[in-house]
Amino acid sequence: GNSVTQMEGPVTLSEEAFLTINCTYTATGYPSLFWYVQYPGEGLQLLLKATKADDKGSNKGFEATYRKETTSFHLEKGSVQVSDSAVYFCALSDHRRGAQKLVFGQGTRLTINP
Amino acid sequence: DVKVTQSSRYLVKRTGEKVFLECVQDMDHENMFWYRQDPGLGLRLIYFSYDVKMKEKGDIPEGYSVSREKKERFSLILESASTNQTSMYLCASSLYRGGSGNTIYFGEGSWLTVV
Repeated sequence: GNSVTQMEGPVTLSEEAFLTINCTYTATGYPSLFWYVQYPGEGLQLLLKATKADDKGSNKGFEATYRKETTSFHLEKGSVQVSDSAVYFCALSDHRRGAQKLVFGQGTRLTINP
Repeated sequence: DVKVTQSSRYLVKRTGEKVFLECVQDMDHENMFWYRQDPGLGLRLIYFSYDVKMKEKGDIPEGYSVSREKKERFSLILESASTNQTSMYLCASSLYRGGSGNTIYFGEGSWLTVV
């Protein structure tokens, strides 16, 4: 079945460092890919998405490119801030039995120190 | 803004109790979902519904049931709570049945502890 694998956390960086969180997927067909973020005590929010190969999603300085040849969707940010501390989830769309659903990776906890 | 509201943020229940988790969305979305979130496992789909009175099992439906009597409301039911159901439960909704790029919106979550 479809699955998503994220780099294991936790990840700890200093402010202004470069961030990469790796995400690879296994899927039949051509799913859409998503990054969701969960700030402490909150639910998940969509950070960015890409719906076809070579698309780049971007938001709040974060970027990820849908790479079909490497089945990857790595999340990057050039200069992280303390406010980026959160748990990040990579996900793919799985359209079965009447509705698009999301299949999630295990999540990566990111802590940014000042 | 889309709002998905979960009625209880924190619950403590006893083993064997029947537990209801309620979720309401205010954007006339067709699809609604219940996920549970556990450390190291990410989010796993319990049940979903693509229309009123319609429900489909997700990946981990055992020990759970759902109810969708109105379009805006989707309830998760633990018939007889057990300690291994201690978890964070997240409700979500989305607008369309078709396509693959639709945004799914999440509530803030319900922390359930079964003692």
